[in-house]
Amino acid sequence: DGGITQSPKYLFRKEGQNVTLSCEQNLNHDAMYWYRQDPGQGLRLIYYSQIVNDFQKGDIAEGYSVSREKKESFPLTVTSAQKNPTAFYLCAIRGAGVDTGELFFGEGSRLTVL
Amino acid sequence: GENVEQHPSTLSVQEGDSAVIKCTYSDSASNYFPWYKQELGKGPQLIIDIRSNVGEKKDQRIAVTLNKTAKHFSLHITETQPEDSAVYFCAASRTGRRALTFGSGTRLQVQP
Repeated sequence: DGGITQSPKYLFRKEGQNVTLSCEQNLNHDAMYWYRQDPGQGLRLIYYSQIVNDFQKGDIAEGYSVSREKKESFPLTVTSAQKNPTAFYLCAIRGAGVDTGELFFGEGSRLTVL
Repeated sequence: GENVEQHPSTLSVQEGDSAVIKCTYSDSASNYFPWYKQELGKGPQLIIDIRSNVGEKKDQRIAVTLNKTAKHFSLHITETQPEDSAVYFCAASRTGRRALTFGSGTRLQVQP
């Protein structure tokens, strides 16, 4: 929202296929995050990136991969190794400022495995 | 690492009543506590936050209280309205930490 664009909004995938979710921001913020949301659960951290060309695993990184070649883009690939990929995926950026903890989220991408 | 627990998981109130959602955290070094509201099919939006150097913060009908000794914080919504119906998440982090740790969410239903 307000400069964070996720696409596609809905995505269907067959088992065994990799899919890539896009996250773009035009706010010139450094830190970007990917969270996964399942029904009845909170948001769980998949990967995050504090700066271009650098990223770290979150709590549930297995079966996912990311890249951060440009400041404005942080795509997430859901690989065939992810055993239960059906979920709502949220990209976020951290607010400007050295010490801020605020995260601003995109509108999300809902992935369904058929 | 940090662990955040949130209660209740669902909450139903009559329009005009107050609603309270409670969270506890495990990491005594956590110093930032935001609350997010998520409407159906959308990303969460920050509605209020509090830092550990204050005990309470208000913004119109919403307020957050923090008890550092007990490691819990609460969201209070007064004069609830149907448009307050949504899922609310609490979260916690500390300076220099990589990301927010979220509670499991509370589905608030305001009955007209």
